[in-house]
Amino acid sequence: EDQVTQSPEALRLQEGESSSLNCSYTVSGLRGLFWYRQDPGKGPEFLFTLYSAGEEKEKERLKATLTKKESFLHITAPKPEDSATYLCAVKGNFNKFYFGSGTKLNVKP
Amino acid sequence: NAGVTQTPKFRVLKTGQSMTLLCAQDMNHEYMYWYRQDPGMGLRLIHYSVGEGTTAKGEVPDGYNVSRLKKQNFLLGLESAAPSQTSVYFCASRPDLAGVVSEQFFGPGTRLTVL
Repeated sequence: EDQVTQSPEALRLQEGESSSLNCSYTVSGLRGLFWYRQDPGKGPEFLFTLYSAGEEKEKERLKATLTKKESFLHITAPKPEDSATYLCAVKGNFNKFYFGSGTKLNVKP
Repeated sequence: NAGVTQTPKFRVLKTGQSMTLLCAQDMNHEYMYWYRQDPGMGLRLIHYSVGEGTTAKGEVPDGYNVSRLKKQNFLLGLESAAPSQTSVYFCASRPDLAGVVSEQFFGPGTRLTVL
């Protein structure tokens, strides 16, 4: 059964304190792993797509990496404006997508 | 471009009432999706469509029906609302890119409360 698990559920960081969010998945034939950012009361906003193990993508303070079983979203020197819920999703069969429950990040100034 | 829009933004229903949620996209995307988001459970797929005139069931389809008569619109219907359908509903669309799985573009959501 296709499944996505994210950890931790919540993460509190001081501004400038780097950390990583984890997304572990089980899917029959990975066709894409996606990271989204969701602000309160809004729809998810796309960040990255990773297609194969070893792939990495970067955008400002965020870097996403992918192995055969999990993905990490590394946040370097975060700022308060990085506070949001980060969602991970994988594409399964028949155009279905499976989402994790998210990591709520709070960056304190 | 407006992107993905959802109507209405908020709605309160009584148990047993029916309603239709409208999703519209102006990006000429082939694929469209309806999700519900509940606290601690992430986004769960209700129904989806791979093109005009097509629909398919997702993870949690019971109690919902959908239609995609026009490529740009995807309607989600609740025939007899139940309190368990209280949730935030998100619509998403994505293009059909040959050989590449594209990301989804999400609407702003509809917050539905069933009393």
